[in-house]
Amino acid sequence: NAGVTQTPKFQVLKTGQSMTLQCAQDMNHEYMSWYRQDPGMGLRLIHYSVGAGITDQGEVPNGYNVSRSTTEDFPLRLLSAAPSQTSVYFCASSYLGGGGYLSKTQYFGPGTRLLVL
Amino acid sequence: AQTVTQSQPEMSVQEAETVTLSCTYDTSENNYYLFWYKQPPSRQMILVIRQEAYKQQNATENRFSVNFQKAAKSFSLKISDSQLGDTAMYFCAFMAPGNTGTASKLTFGTGTRLQVTL
Repeated sequence: NAGVTQTPKFQVLKTGQSMTLQCAQDMNHEYMSWYRQDPGMGLRLIHYSVGAGITDQGEVPNGYNVSRSTTEDFPLRLLSAAPSQTSVYFCASSYLGGGGYLSKTQYFGPGTRLLVL
Repeated sequence: AQTVTQSQPEMSVQEAETVTLSCTYDTSENNYYLFWYKQPPSRQMILVIRQEAYKQQNATENRFSVNFQKAAKSFSLKISDSQLGDTAMYFCAFMAPGNTGTASKLTFGTGTRLQVTL
């Protein structure tokens, strides 16, 4: 199993540009999510999905779009990049089922570092 | 809304010594899950240990153990026999099981940077 993979590892954008951060998992997890990590603020939830075709907003959704057409993939789109979106982005996945905290443990990808100039 | 507080931004410990990282949380839920994640310089988020609130026994994973005090809403992480490879940022996280749509949301603390020295 590759686990959770993210591409690219690092990206530089100019203000106003758009891009898509890719996330894929091969563990057949229903739940997938995107977090951003900023200095001194921990990880904050951007968007999440509980299955193909179902997405919802997290704590900081503005400026980001998501879609989930397959169980495996959960891309994050920046529509018009702003310097405030400079951050490290993490994708995570887990099961949703009734297995309690063991199944709901989230596994993280390696992160994408984004710099918006 | 749940909140997670890590009051120690930075800590240092000598190799082979024991260190305890603090975490407190605020919730009105009765059952929930708590996690400690480690983030080394590589930035990978690695699960260290996890605890379910219904379980009174403190979780242990090799050199890592927790002191879970439900009434005090405290979930501290103890690292025994510290090793240089333990140098990392440590995040405490909270999850409240609920409806399908909210069941897996993690709320993170701001982290504690741990430096293990020779």
